[in-house]
Amino acid sequence: GQQLNQSPQSMFIQEGEDVSMNCTSSSIFNTWLWYKQDPGEGPVLLIALYKAGELTSNGRLTAQFGITRKDSFLNISASIPSDVGIYFCAGQRQGAQKLVFGQGTRLTINP
Amino acid sequence: KAGVTQTPRYLIKTRGQQVTLSCSPISGHRSVSWYQQTPGQGLQFLFEYFSETQRNKGNFPGRFSGRQFSNSRSEMNVSTLELGDSALYLCASSFSPAGAGMSSYNEQFFGPGTRLTVL
Repeated sequence: GQQLNQSPQSMFIQEGEDVSMNCTSSSIFNTWLWYKQDPGEGPVLLIALYKAGELTSNGRLTAQFGITRKDSFLNISASIPSDVGIYFCAGQRQGAQKLVFGQGTRLTINP
Repeated sequence: KAGVTQTPRYLIKTRGQQVTLSCSPISGHRSVSWYQQTPGQGLQFLFEYFSETQRNKGNFPGRFSGRQFSNSRSEMNVSTLELGDSALYLCASSFSPAGAGMSSYNEQFFGPGTRLTVL
């Protein structure tokens, strides 16, 4: 099935470092979303982006909706241990509830 | 406000059997979507139900089916289970009012999932 191209697949960083991950698509999406999934749980919505070029923050998280509507990035500043998990980008088209997901970025933090 | 609940949380079945999974959406939400998550294929959309009608469908075989009840609770059924059906099955609910366009009203909230193992 269709998936977004998400990179990197995994990251190993030191506590306090900044993190950046991105997602690209060959087709346009009207909404970009970023989710975090902890082991044994479902994805939790972190940030939703509704307009091309939009830059949105949620605490230490910042995400942007690319101008072309084919990409998005997520930045995490000053990482802390509870940031560990798998981060997914997802795209959604106008009028459809279906989410198309990236493969995920697994974030590991060394204390 | 209670979140999305899914039952059972864990299930073990054997090949050829069938299984029914249940999802209770957040109160007031009318849309329920189902996703399959596997290490190889990631998160894949199965189908979406709104007001007891299937509104969208992904690319899964007919062995995968679902339904929604008048209280918005949804069930999905997998018949003639195969080893490859082992996965985490997630449901997500949203308010999804008609004509809302892309907005926070369409945000989807996921349940914890049902872990299905097929032996």
